[in-house]
Amino acid sequence: EAQVTQNPRYLITVTGKKLTVTCSQNMNHEYMSWYRQDPGLGLRQIYYSMNVEATDKGDVPEGYKVSRKEKRNFPLILESPSPNQTSLYFCASRPLTGYAIQYFGPGTRLTVT
Amino acid sequence: AQTVTQSQPEMSVQEAETVTLSCTYDTSESNYYLFWYKQPPSRQMILVIRQEAYKQQNATENRFSVNFQKAAKSFSLKISDSQLGDTAMYFCAFTRLNTGTASKLTFGTGTRLQVTL
Repeated sequence: EAQVTQNPRYLITVTGKKLTVTCSQNMNHEYMSWYRQDPGLGLRQIYYSMNVEATDKGDVPEGYKVSRKEKRNFPLILESPSPNQTSLYFCASRPLTGYAIQYFGPGTRLTVT
Repeated sequence: AQTVTQSQPEMSVQEAETVTLSCTYDTSESNYYLFWYKQPPSRQMILVIRQEAYKQQNATENRFSVNFQKAAKSFSLKISDSQLGDTAMYFCAFTRLNTGTASKLTFGTGTRLQVTL
């Protein structure tokens, strides 16, 4: 089954404790992206990657890091989480050609206390 | 930069009735895609319908249809014969047509739709 997976689905952590949210896709997509969703703001792009070893900032990159060492994986790293990073996070992927449809993971609910 | 505006934070409709969700956008691009995504309580993002800007015909998917007005930069979603399972947050989204680039999805703030008995 073609899908984007994220882990964990739920995470409660404390300020300053480094964490990683994993994202993996099995569709051989070149493009992968991270979004955060906040009430009243919709979804905003954090980082994206056009292919292996090619990442770039989105609209709200502060406080986040990513890496793309393999085509299928695109982890999101919070080295020193803060309460304002409490949010719902989505990973998405799509091919570079075609109808531009992005496939979303199930979301990760992160709470930073 | 592109912007997407959804001016209706919440809407309610009775089962079997028709409801229209509004979306306007601002862009200087001439070729682009527009989407409606549904987010039920499970939080999964589900693609409902897409529209290519170069196509004049409005997209339709079963009970879901759009009214795409390119000159007015308007992209509304009509849900016919509403069902309880349509209860969800609905997001309008925009992306440029050139998919070989880093084109991102720009989302509106969402409309929460409640379908009632």
